[in-house]
Amino acid sequence: AQSVTQLGSHVSVSEGALVLLRCNYSSSVPPYLFWYVQYPNQGLQLLLKYTTGATLVKGINGFEAEFKKSETSFHLTKPSAHMSDAAEYFCAVVRGSSNTGKLIFGQGTTLQVKP
Amino acid sequence: NAGVTQTPKFQVLKTGQSMTLQCAQDMNHNSMYWYRQDPGMGLRLIYYSASEGTTDKGEVPNGYNVSRLNKREFSLRLESAAPSQTSVYFCASSDAFGGLREQYFGPGTRLTVT
Repeated sequence: AQSVTQLGSHVSVSEGALVLLRCNYSSSVPPYLFWYVQYPNQGLQLLLKYTTGATLVKGINGFEAEFKKSETSFHLTKPSAHMSDAAEYFCAVVRGSSNTGKLIFGQGTTLQVKP
Repeated sequence: NAGVTQTPKFQVLKTGQSMTLQCAQDMNHNSMYWYRQDPGMGLRLIYYSASEGTTDKGEVPNGYNVSRLNKREFSLRLESAAPSQTSVYFCASSDAFGGLREQYFGPGTRLTVT
């Protein structure tokens, strides 16, 4: 069955530094992968998703993620962190088909941005 | 356009008490979902409603019931609350059912069962 693992429950970076949040997936079929962000005291919001096609996916707020089949990874990056990026980030995979499948979330990574 | 709204925002229950969490969306979405979020475990699907008039179990349905009251509203009921149900509960909706559809989340309900 499809699953995701996020490496590191907490990541701390300085403002202006590179953000790298790691996600590895397990799937016996071509995966559909997502990154969601949760700002403090809010619900989750879609950052970006990979379905098919281009392996480098661009999302909102300057984030992007690259699907690497050989490494079973879908890491999230942003070249320069901003204070407003402090939030919890969730990687997710669809378990089942694209029409009937459901989202399976990773454990989450809290991003702290230091001034 | 409020999106997905949830009530209440916070609730404290004693073991054995019952309560209903309310969720409504104003985006004319067909599908709605209930998740629980626990530290270190991400979000887990409790129940979902692919369309008005249907409901199905997710990963962790035990101890919960749901009602899709109409297209807008999807409620989650705890009949006899247990401390293991202490969690943050999120309602979400999507325009159609399927893993590729973007889900829109409410702000959550923080529930503590003592």
